[in-house]
Amino acid sequence: GDSVTQMEGPVTLSEEACLTINCTYTATGYPSLFWYVQYPGEGLQLLLKATKADDKGSNKGFEATYRKETTSFHLEKGSVQVSDSAVYFCALSPHQAGTALIFGKGTTLSVSS
Amino acid sequence: DAGVIQSPRHEVTEMGQEVTLRCKPISGHNSLFWYRQTMMRGLELLIYFNNNVPIDDSGMPEDRFSAKMPNASFSTLKIQPSEPRDSAVYFCASTAGRADGYTFGSGTRLTVV
Repeated sequence: GDSVTQMEGPVTLSEEACLTINCTYTATGYPSLFWYVQYPGEGLQLLLKATKADDKGSNKGFEATYRKETTSFHLEKGSVQVSDSAVYFCALSPHQAGTALIFGKGTTLSVSS
Repeated sequence: DAGVIQSPRHEVTEMGQEVTLRCKPISGHNSLFWYRQTMMRGLELLIYFNNNVPIDDSGMPEDRFSAKMPNASFSTLKIQPSEPRDSAVYFCASTAGRADGYTFGSGTRLTVV
């Protein structure tokens, strides 16, 4: 079945460092891909999405490109801030309508000043 | 738009008691999801509804858990009787379509003592 694999955390960075969180997927058909962010004590928030191959989603300085040839959707940011400290989830919406999102296990990012 | 509204935000109850969690999805969203999040097991899908009809309840841990969606604007998740291992944060989410991503509520933190 469809699945999402994202890199294990935690990821610890200094402010202004570059961030990459790897996400790969296995799916039939043409899934939509998402990144969610969860700040401490809060629910998950949609960070960005891409619905077809080669689409680039972007928001708040984060971006990810839907790469069908490598089945990847890596999250990147050029310069992280302390306020970016959170848990990041990669997710896949299967091609089949009426099915639930499949989430990765989450990657904890900690940014220090 | 007030987003997905969950109540209560926090619930502390004694083992054996009945617990009811409530969710109001975003108006116009036709799918609703209940998730449970713990440190040990991460984010787990419990059940989801399309157009108020339960589609997949395979994630419901046991018969003590039940969920209803009597209309498009309200859903409940009930645990009876509750046990300490049910302690977790329970999230409700809704969506209008598979390419839109989910909107999550702020969650209910349940503690069973």
